[in-house]
Amino acid sequence: IVMTQSPATLSVSPGERATLSCRASQSISSNLAWYQQKPGQAPRLLIYGASTRATGIPARFSGSGSGTEFTLTISSLQSEDFAVYYCQQNNLWPTFGQGTKLEIK
Amino acid sequence: QVQLVESGGGVVQPGRSLRLSCAASGFTLSNYGMHWVRQAPGKGLEWVAVISYDGSNKFYADSVRGRFTISRDNSKNTLYLQMNSLKTEDTAVYYCAKPHITMNDPLDQWGQGTLVTVSS
Repeated sequence: IVMTQSPATLSVSPGERATLSCRASQSISSNLAWYQQKPGQAPRLLIYGASTRATGIPARFSGSGSGTEFTLTISSLQSEDFAVYYCQQNNLWPTFGQGTKLEIK
Repeated sequence: QVQLVESGGGVVQPGRSLRLSCAASGFTLSNYGMHWVRQAPGKGLEWVAVISYDGSNKFYADSVRGRFTISRDNSKNTLYLQMNSLKTEDTAVYYCAKPHITMNDPLDQWGQGTLVTVSS
C-alpha cells in the first residue's frame, strides 16, 4: 500500500491552522496513524485509528478520514509544532508517507 | 516508564555484517510484537521488520528480506536485528519500536535510534 502525503512543505504562521493530507493507494479503513518528528529525534505517535489522539497529545491535534483520504489538522499552531509529519497505514505491515514538513511562515 | 535503547550501529563495509540490539525496559517485552524501522539520512521512514511476541512469526520488507533477520530474547528483554550482505543503501538510523497493543498497531514507543553507515 502506497501512502502519498501533500503538500511536501507547508508554510504557516504561528496561531494559524494547518491542514495536512494523506492518501492511501487502496482502502485502509481507519487504520491510519500520524507521527511528528523533530530534527534529531525519534518519531512520536500523535493519532491512531485515523482520529484518536495518543496519550498526552494536545487537543489542537485532530485527525479525520477513512478509506483512502485522511487529514491531520493542527489548530492554532504553537512554535513546538513545526516539524515533519508522517502518516502510516497499519492495515497491513506498516508503510509510511514521504512526510510533510511544516515550517514557520 | 517505557524505554527502548538501541546499540550496535557503526561504520561497516559493503558486504559485511552487523547486529543491532534493542534493550527494553518499563514494560513486559514478551507481551508485544516488536518492529525495526529505519530512516536514511534526510529521508523518510521505512519499515524494516516485525517479530511476534514469542518470536514464532517474522515478516520483512522486500528491501531486506533474505539479508536481515529479526530475533528476540525475552529472558534478556532484548530485540535484535542481524544485518548481512549490507549495501550502501542500508545506511540509515535504525529504530526499534513497540506497537500500541497488537503487532499490527501503530508504534507508540520508539528508541532513540542507532546509526548504521555502509561505506567502503
